[in-house]
Amino acid sequence: EAAVTQSPRNKVAVTGGKVTLSCNQTNNHNNMYWYRQDTGHGLRLIHYSYGAGSTEKGDIPDGYKASRPSQENFSLILELATPSQTSVYFCASGDTGGEQNTLYFGAGTRLSVL
Amino acid sequence: GDSVTQTEGLVTLTEGLPVMLNCTYQTIYSNPFLFWYVQHLNESPRLLLKSFTDNKRTEHQGFHATLHKSSSSFHLQKSSAQLSDSALYYCALSESQVVGQLTFGRGTRLQVYA
Repeated sequence: EAAVTQSPRNKVAVTGGKVTLSCNQTNNHNNMYWYRQDTGHGLRLIHYSYGAGSTEKGDIPDGYKASRPSQENFSLILELATPSQTSVYFCASGDTGGEQNTLYFGAGTRLSVL
Repeated sequence: GDSVTQTEGLVTLTEGLPVMLNCTYQTIYSNPFLFWYVQHLNESPRLLLKSFTDNKRTEHQGFHATLHKSSSSFHLQKSSAQLSDSALYYCALSESQVVGQLTFGRGTRLQVYA
């Protein structure tokens, strides 16, 4: 079973502050993703990465940056947090080959921006 | 872009009755991958079913679905609902077997009562 670990699990931030959400995977997957989950909207893709050094914009990238410094780590950065970014954030990893397109999700980070 | 439409909101069932959660999709690609992910309360989403073969039934853990490209559908079914099936179900679409980028529907919450 793929292991994807997110930190922190819960975060309270102030409007205008900087927030960094971290994700680590130990299965050597090439692809990593950041989604946010909101009632009525489901899972929406923010940023994703094909490998170390690469980041790509997903469907809702505005207000977010991403960083993939290594195969294992993928961070989501909110430079100036806003209350509209209050949500549950999920990191996921996946790869091609026999399990192509299967995503393995972390436990999620609940972010509240006050 | 791609889109996925699911049965909206909440579906309530009595234990033992059949389950059917609808999923239709739109894509310009002729060979889409379709998925069902399930998310139990306070857990992260995990893969339930996946398919890319037209008109072939795929089954897992008592659930089944058949990809019908002619109607752009991938409905999730189960013959007899169990209390433990109560969860949030996401239908998802991938247009590429290499990249692994998924487009999720908004999710359908299934609540099974005794």
